[in-house]
Amino acid sequence: NAGVTQTPKFQVLKTGQSMTLQCAQDMNHNSMYWYRQDPGMGLRLIYYSASEGTTDKGEVPNGYNVSRLNKREFSLRLESAAPSQTSVYFCASSGDRGPNQPQHFGDGTRLSIL
Amino acid sequence: QKEVEQDPGPLSVPEGAIVSLNCTYSNSAFQYFMWYRQYSRKGPELLMYTYSSGNKEDGRFTAQVDKSSKYISLFIRDSQPSDSATYLCAMTPPSGAGSYQLTFGKGTKLSVIP
Repeated sequence: NAGVTQTPKFQVLKTGQSMTLQCAQDMNHNSMYWYRQDPGMGLRLIYYSASEGTTDKGEVPNGYNVSRLNKREFSLRLESAAPSQTSVYFCASSGDRGPNQPQHFGDGTRLSIL
Repeated sequence: QKEVEQDPGPLSVPEGAIVSLNCTYSNSAFQYFMWYRQYSRKGPELLMYTYSSGNKEDGRFTAQVDKSSKYISLFIRDSQPSDSATYLCAMTPPSGAGSYQLTFGKGTKLSVIP
């Protein structure tokens, strides 16, 4: 039972490079989320998708784009990476009974931008 | 004032001790409350999920919500070295605007010493 799977687990980029973080869930959840976690800042929501075909901005969306490819997959793209985007990125999903459902997390992508 | 305040610790206790972890919040609209456990280099894992005020028990863990004081607690009885982790509180309002967005505390790092 995989739950939420994120790839890659680690990545080092140079400033200005682009990359896409991948996330897939096998729990048939409607809602999916991207967070970043920084020391002293806690978990902050970047974007979320309440259902297939919709996406919305969270607390810190600048510099990121997302795509809800299908019900299972939700990707996060950095078009022109900046050192301030060095962080641990977590994808999460929650159940199809509407909002307020507990979110289930992947194990993260550790991204360093030089 | 942050919406959710949580003492980052670190908190160090001997094996077998009772641990009390706490969060305070300022948004009276929050109705759903969660506790997550995060081991080093892993994603947050849902531990407890409660709605409104009262207590909920699950094995050695008890979650307590006092909405009148805007205060939530997680108690761990007979603490074990395997409980060593960072504990994050999270909360969300009822259905409607913002209900897909969990607001997290910054986490309390707990070490249980054998």
